Amino acid sequence: GQSLEQPSEVTAVEGAIVQINCTYQTSGFYGLSWYQQHDGGAPTFLSYNALDGLEETGRFSSFLSRSDSYGYLLLQELQMKDSASYFCAVSNFNKFYFGSGTKLNVKP
Amino acid sequence: EAGVTQFPSHSVIEKGQTVTLRCDPISGHDNLYWYRRVMGKEIKFLLHFVKESKQDESGMPNNRFLAERTGGTYSTLKVQPAELEDSGVYFCASSRSYGDGYEQYFGPGTRLTVT
Repeated sequence: GQSLEQPSEVTAVEGAIVQINCTYQTSGFYGLSWYQQHDGGAPTFLSYNALDGLEETGRFSSFLSRSDSYGYLLLQELQMKDSASYFCAVSNFNKFYFGSGTKLNVKP
Repeated sequence: EAGVTQFPSHSVIEKGQTVTLRCDPISGHDNLYWYRRVMGKEIKFLLHFVKESKQDESGMPNNRFLAERTGGTYSTLKVQPAELEDSGVYFCASSRSYGDGYEQYFGPGTRLTVT
């Protein structure tokens, strides 16, 4: 079977750095994606890692270790607008498995 | 470029009734996915179309669910007859071409409540 684990909720203050971890067990693996979803909205794509290492996109970075079946999303210089749910997703070619999401609360 | 649209945004039906959800993907996107999220749980894969063909429907819960994608454009997901456990938010997503599916564009979802 497939399983992804990520923390259910994380709280941080504005301006801080937060890391959201994701561990996975899947029968096939092409890459790890991250999506952001604001309440009531559509999930939006943030990043994708197919190879080990760190990918940086502005204030957001994503890391993957295939040998450890582990990845994380790093959010720097947190802003109030970053309050949202964050989902990791493992892709097996064109099939995707999502985690349950991590609700990030950013406080002033 | 218009995004993925879904209709209706909300639907409340009684157990045993039929509901049809519609998804219009981004124009030119060959891949179309359906997902469901039950409150607090994962976004669960239901099925995947490549153009008008079902590539993978292993996530469909049972034969009460029927998905179609006419002419490789919009898609419908019919639930007949609906059961209480079918409640949740149904998302549709599209991506450009086969093998390039990792960046998916999601619609806003249809919140289905079965009473």
